[in-house]
Amino acid sequence: DAGITQSPRHKVTETGTPVTLRCHQTENHRYMYWYRQDPGHGLRLIHYSYGVKDTDKGEVSDGYSVSRSKTEDFLLTLESATSSQTSVYFCAISVTDTNEQFFGPGTRLTVL
Amino acid sequence: AQKVTQAQTEISVVEKEDVTLDCVYETRDTTYYLFWYKQPPSGELVFLIRRNSFDEQNEISGRYSWNFQKSTSSFNFTITASQVVDSAVYFCALSEAEAYGQNFVFGPGTRLSVLP
Repeated sequence: DAGITQSPRHKVTETGTPVTLRCHQTENHRYMYWYRQDPGHGLRLIHYSYGVKDTDKGEVSDGYSVSRSKTEDFLLTLESATSSQTSVYFCAISVTDTNEQFFGPGTRLTVL
Repeated sequence: AQKVTQAQTEISVVEKEDVTLDCVYETRDTTYYLFWYKQPPSGELVFLIRRNSFDEQNEISGRYSWNFQKSTSSFNFTITASQVVDSAVYFCALSEAEAYGQNFVFGPGTRLSVLP
């Protein structure tokens, strides 16, 4: 257990509304990640962070923004949700020495 | 560019059969890590194993074993005497050693169903 929680765990929202997902970790890991999981695609990286206020884009970053004001929290924001952003979102941390990634429980987001 | 291929989309076996999940990767780096994750029906992602590119020894953990062959760029996963609890989606992943995750690439996954 890498001490990662995500909130909310489930959310249904309407197209055009803003949505923020939160990832919280308790073990002071430097690196944090947001992925989305869709059938047939495995997990795809949205954004990642390598420290407080240090973030960068991943493979599928369009339509998403992130913020990290504290080591323990990494927020993912959909400024104006679209139906194509219906997905399961996973937060992860990585252990620096081994590159192993450990995942939170996931957030199922449905955009109607 | 890095890429992970899991050609088997779905596999169905009967309990106690052995099953091998294939993983083929592409990378231009000489130093990299390979991973396997399990995603049971409950949805969480469970880390199973990490292998670095300099360690080609096969690994065995109980009923699980992994065969890493650099010559064929493969990192296959075998479950011996499968059980119903092994039913899950299994993901293979690849990471450059110094990338710290931005190039952590997952395959599309293989759904394993173990029937009683």
